[in-house]
Amino acid sequence: GESVGLHLPTLSVQEGDNSIINCAYSNSASDYFIWYKQESGKGPQFIIDIRSNMDKRQGQRVTVLLNKTVKHLSLQIAATQPGDSAVYFCAENIPGNQFYFGTGTSLTVIP
Amino acid sequence: EADIYQTPRYLVIGTGKKITLECSQTMGHDKMYWYQQDPGMELHLIHYSYGVNSTEKGDLSSESTVSRIRTEHFPLTLESARPSHTSQYLCASSGMGGSYNSPLHFGNGTRLTVT
Repeated sequence: GESVGLHLPTLSVQEGDNSIINCAYSNSASDYFIWYKQESGKGPQFIIDIRSNMDKRQGQRVTVLLNKTVKHLSLQIAATQPGDSAVYFCAENIPGNQFYFGTGTSLTVIP
Repeated sequence: EADIYQTPRYLVIGTGKKITLECSQTMGHDKMYWYQQDPGMELHLIHYSYGVNSTEKGDLSSESTVSRIRTEHFPLTLESARPSHTSQYLCASSGMGGSYNSPLHFGNGTRLTVT
């Protein structure tokens, strides 16, 4: 399978600070990337996506950055809140192929 | 909020039993998927379907089967459950999205324990 890995398995941040979660992918043919949030006992929830023809995409309090040169994806969460505590997964997709998920990063927000 | 439903949410059964995990979606999505996930770990694709009467095996051999007789329904069956099948099973669906893939929408999963 493809290698979709996260640099840090756990991340703790103070409430109100910004969080950055990183992801490396190995296949340069991947053209679509998604970040998911998974809370305990629930299925993954879509946060934001980005296609390979873009470098940056912003949502509500979240920004995804894509660096195709080094095959790196990051998720930035502004003003992190306790409700942001969860496991975050990145997923990559090659055209006509399946999604590949990395091992999640557990984000803990300290009040 | 995605409309994809999985039942049961929790299931404890004995070794050797046959079980079916249900998954239904009301979004009219053509693509449906089953993933297996251990707590906090990555998702492994078990089966997928691109439409009615279309099913394919994923990367993970789980000794399970699926069927896709209706667009909205994609059940997963374990003919003879074993303790190694203890895990969380996630169902997902996605639309066709034109020339690009579209995001997967997940159900809340079935937590299976085989004793």
